[in-house]
Amino acid sequence: DAKTTQPNSMESNEEEPVHLPCNHSTISGTDYIHWYRQLPSQGPEYVIHGLTSNVNNRMASLAIAEDRKSSTLILHRATLRDAAVYYCILRDYRDKIIFGKGTRLHILP
Amino acid sequence: DTEVTQTPKHLVMGMTNKKSLKCEQHMGHRAMYWYKQKAKKPPELMFVYSYEKLSINESVPSRFSPECPNSSLLNLHLHALQPEDSALYLCASSQDAAGWRTEAFFGQGTRLTVV
Repeated sequence: DAKTTQPNSMESNEEEPVHLPCNHSTISGTDYIHWYRQLPSQGPEYVIHGLTSNVNNRMASLAIAEDRKSSTLILHRATLRDAAVYYCILRDYRDKIIFGKGTRLHILP
Repeated sequence: DTEVTQTPKHLVMGMTNKKSLKCEQHMGHRAMYWYKQKAKKPPELMFVYSYEKLSINESVPSRFSPECPNSSLLNLHLHALQPEDSALYLCASSQDAAGWRTEAFFGQGTRLTVV
């Protein structure tokens, strides 16, 4: 299974943009890059996913490097409710959703 | 309806008990998953069902027995558990055999305590 590497934790101020990095240097051509987050005492929640092109949705943007060896989840304006553990996951045809350690995001008021 | 519903929310069981966890989705998803999550750790994959057939078993001990009676329902039967099996058990679903190209939906989990 291709691995992802994320910082253990990050801090950001409320109402500022947050850039959460993820390295996935062993990604294969058909792996999709998914991001999920887990708020305290809840199940993981889908955030965004992509293959090659940058993606936007109502929650976030996903910027994928041209060589696909890294990606960045962008929260455009962080709120206190965005404090969570963010997981970057590679999904392939075997459909095993394997979680790494993730990044714990702290939002400062 | 984009929900994955897990019952019960909390469960306390003795080491000699038999109990079952239930997971239900009505999104027409054909891939369903069980995860185990210990405190402060990421979820660990246990089982994957694809079109009601077990496709992945991540070397889970036989005291955990999954069952997929139909396309909407996933059970996890528990028997002779140990205290170290206490954890949050999460269920998830995604669209179909090409589900890796779509989002997965997770339930809120069952908090299991083995005494």
